[in-house]
Amino acid sequence: RKEVEQDPGPFNVPEGATVAFNCTYSNSASQSFFWYRQDCRKEPKLLMSVYSSGNEDGRFTAQLNRASQYISLLIRDSKLSDSATYLCVVTGGSNYQLIWGAGTKLIIKP
Amino acid sequence: EPEVTQTPSHQVTQMGQEVILRCVPISNHLYFYWYRQILGQKVEFLVSFYNNEISEKSEIFDDQFSVERPDGSNFTLKIRSTKLEDSAMYFCASSPGTRSQPQHFGDGTRLSIL
Repeated sequence: RKEVEQDPGPFNVPEGATVAFNCTYSNSASQSFFWYRQDCRKEPKLLMSVYSSGNEDGRFTAQLNRASQYISLLIRDSKLSDSATYLCVVTGGSNYQLIWGAGTKLIIKP
Repeated sequence: EPEVTQTPSHQVTQMGQEVILRCVPISNHLYFYWYRQILGQKVEFLVSFYNNEISEKSEIFDDQFSVERPDGSNFTLKIRSTKLEDSAMYFCASSPGTRSQPQHFGDGTRLSIL
């Protein structure tokens, strides 16, 4: 089983729709979870951290399910500018390194 | 907003040559990282650095690689005797702490080995 697994997509979604991604992780000792977004040939940019109780930032909602070892990202009222690859990131067994998923590609269509 | 800066943005080098990739982390951050991303593939951890020494390194980070913080601001990645498969985007990141604190990334250096 891969350490961090994501559906590669692409998800083709009309503008204004709601879209959700899941990400599963294998290391039950993982402590911290993040969603990053990456535009083509650009650096990853932090979208949001994921907290145990779930958290929301505007149109974005992140949730963590420790029992099933997955995190999710929900995007409401999607915009054309949301088109990107969304990377699920978890900490490894140590304090330092981040383990990256391969990303889910999202394409928002007008 | 403070940011991580990397230079050069693009480096083209002959196979077998040495390259040094430079990074200036955010000034009050204590932890520094290098990652690479081969075109079309996922981001891969290389090394983390804290208190002037390597904290952790991946299997990719073999004897060909080294990191250094030569002064109070720069953080460098040296790749000796480059190979074709070293061609990738190299990202530097920094964070104020570990665990729950997210890492902030520079724009990356695109390394092309000919």
